[in-house]
Amino acid sequence: DAGVIQSPRHEVTEMGQEVTLRCKPISGHDYLFWYRQTMMRGLELLIYFNNNVPIDDSGMPEDRFSAKMPNASFSTLKIQPSEPRDSAVYFCASSPSAYEQYFGPGTRLTVT
Amino acid sequence: QQPVQSPQAVILREGEDAVINCSSSKALYSVHWYRQKHGEAPVFLMILLKGGEQKGHDKISASFNEKKQQSSLYLTASQLSYSGTYFCGTSGGGSNYKLTFGKGTLLTVNP
Repeated sequence: DAGVIQSPRHEVTEMGQEVTLRCKPISGHDYLFWYRQTMMRGLELLIYFNNNVPIDDSGMPEDRFSAKMPNASFSTLKIQPSEPRDSAVYFCASSPSAYEQYFGPGTRLTVT
Repeated sequence: QQPVQSPQAVILREGEDAVINCSSSKALYSVHWYRQKHGEAPVFLMILLKGGEQKGHDKISASFNEKKQQSSLYLTASQLSYSGTYFCGTSGGGSNYKLTFGKGTLLTVNP
């Protein structure tokens, strides 16, 4: 069974550009999470969905960030416009229950 | 608020034991433990819930002191494969989903 799939794996973009990160959760998992990891701040929860509905987006840093989950097998995290301080590894994770979360391989974003 | 992990780093020889601690200033509903190897994604190890329920890998053990808002992860007879950064994630308010992670403990196991 395939795990969580994220694309692209690496993204380099210039400040001011729009960035879209994509995630395909594990089939049958009702929960989807977006995290950001940096050396300074560690692993931070940005937003999570249950059955495609956003439940908590209090971790989204500002209005430049938006996330959608149009169906059970796809989610996007968009940054518009991007800034150098957005450089980080972005993880998507999915979960079938209240217990373990399964993380994808991550997208390493570099904004120059 | 971010939970505090200690120690920040530990170096072991294969076969030795280690304890990693996680402490929160807020009342906790659950504590989750993950391990991340360099350049890889975090991998679930264990969850401890208020009330005593636990779920996780057989070879990993942990404790959860609800009154002190602390958890400890016990790694016994360490193997080379145990090397990595260990994170605790905590949740409050009756939810298991909204996790706040500590900054991690880097564990290195040498032959």
